[in-house]
Amino acid sequence: GDSVTQTEGQVTVSESKSLIINCTYSATSIGYPNLFWYVRYPGEGLQLLLKVITAGQKGSSRGFEATYNKEATSFHLQKASVQESDSAVYYCALRGPFLSGSFNKLTFGAGTRLAVCP
Amino acid sequence: EAAVTQSPRNKVAVTGGKVTLSCNQTNNHNNMYWYRQDTGHGLRLIHYSYGAGSTEKGDIPDGYKASRPSQENFSLILELATPSQTSVYFCASGDADWGANYAEQFFGPGTRLTVL
Repeated sequence: GDSVTQTEGQVTVSESKSLIINCTYSATSIGYPNLFWYVRYPGEGLQLLLKVITAGQKGSSRGFEATYNKEATSFHLQKASVQESDSAVYYCALRGPFLSGSFNKLTFGAGTRLAVCP
Repeated sequence: EAAVTQSPRNKVAVTGGKVTLSCNQTNNHNNMYWYRQDTGHGLRLIHYSYGAGSTEKGDIPDGYKASRPSQENFSLILELATPSQTSVYFCASGDADWGANYAEQFFGPGTRLTVL
């Protein structure tokens, strides 16, 4: 089946420094999956941060960006300058391409907890 | 913005007992989902529903039942709770997704269940 790997369980970054959270995926359906980053702030539910539906494109939101690299099967999340308010858990996720068997469900990575130090 | 609430937020149950987790959404979404998350794992889909009266099995349905009595409410039922079901449970809702555009899922804050 499909899988999503986030290698870091926790990342600590100083405020105003750059961030990268790694995400790689494996998808079994023919065609390219859709890719997402969700974020969960303390005490809240997950919320969609950004999405990229088309392979090779970049998504961005709230200063974060991620590029869908179909050759490397990666979708790393980056930010040039983090703030303390970015402290949260970040989840990479995929769903299968349109009309595939896995189109109607999300497959999540284990999440990466980001701690931003003042 | 969609509002998804879950109750209870924390629950301690005994092995063999019955547990019901409730989810309510106020944005009239057709689809609802139940996930669990364990340390070191991503969210995994237990059951989902396309509308009132419908329930479908997700990836890990064993030991769980689901009920969708109305558009707004979706329950997860553990008839005979076991310690292996100790986890954090998330409910989500979203519009029906018939095209190539993604219908975002909106998540509740989670329920922490401990089975002793």
